[in-house]
Amino acid sequence: AQTVTQSQPEMSVQEAETVTLSCTYDTSENNYYLFWYKQPPSRQMILVIRQEAYKQQNATENRFSVNFQKAAKSFSLKISDSQLGDTAMYFCAFIHSSGSARQLTFGSGTQLTVLP
Amino acid sequence: NAGVTQTPKFQVLKTGQSMTLQCAQDMNHNSMYWYRQDPGMGLRLIYYSASEGTTDKGEVPNGYNVSRLNKREFSLRLESAAPSQTSVYFCASSPYFGTGDSNQPQHFGDGTRLSIL
Repeated sequence: AQTVTQSQPEMSVQEAETVTLSCTYDTSENNYYLFWYKQPPSRQMILVIRQEAYKQQNATENRFSVNFQKAAKSFSLKISDSQLGDTAMYFCAFIHSSGSARQLTFGSGTQLTVLP
Repeated sequence: NAGVTQTPKFQVLKTGQSMTLQCAQDMNHNSMYWYRQDPGMGLRLIYYSASEGTTDKGEVPNGYNVSRLNKREFSLRLESAAPSQTSVYFCASSPYFGTGDSNQPQHFGDGTRLSIL
């Protein structure tokens, strides 16, 4: 079974600074997808960024980028120019691309607080 | 707005009571899911419906039943609520089962906060 580990329960960053959230995962498969979801106090689950395992290029969405290290099974999220609205719980998630185990597996989350 | 709608948003039950959580999506998605979220943990899959007419157990199915009423609706039932089922419940949908495809992620509802006394 696949597992997703987020080793930082809480982090804080000053507004306008850069912060990196860590995520590691475990799988024996070669084809899969990785995601970062954001959950603000409103409780909505908002997709922030996604990465296909077969792509070597790291995904980027505006101020959000990932550092995907497939051999190390690491998938970190970098938030540049942090804004107060980035304050949220961030979840790393994983899914296989085929087979019966195509279930979205989440890490335990990192609570990020952006300080003014 | 198009999306996943969950009702109710909040509910308090007594131990032993029954309750059905409703979920509907208007995106013509084939697959639907029920998750629970507990403090300090990520979302865990309770049940899913890969397509209309099928349902399967996820990681934590005990104490729950589901019904895929039609393509749009997927309900979650607690037959005899227990305090351990106090949680926030999320419904999600996707065009096809699993669907990690970069253009087809799972879409989530706003959640139902359920407290069982």
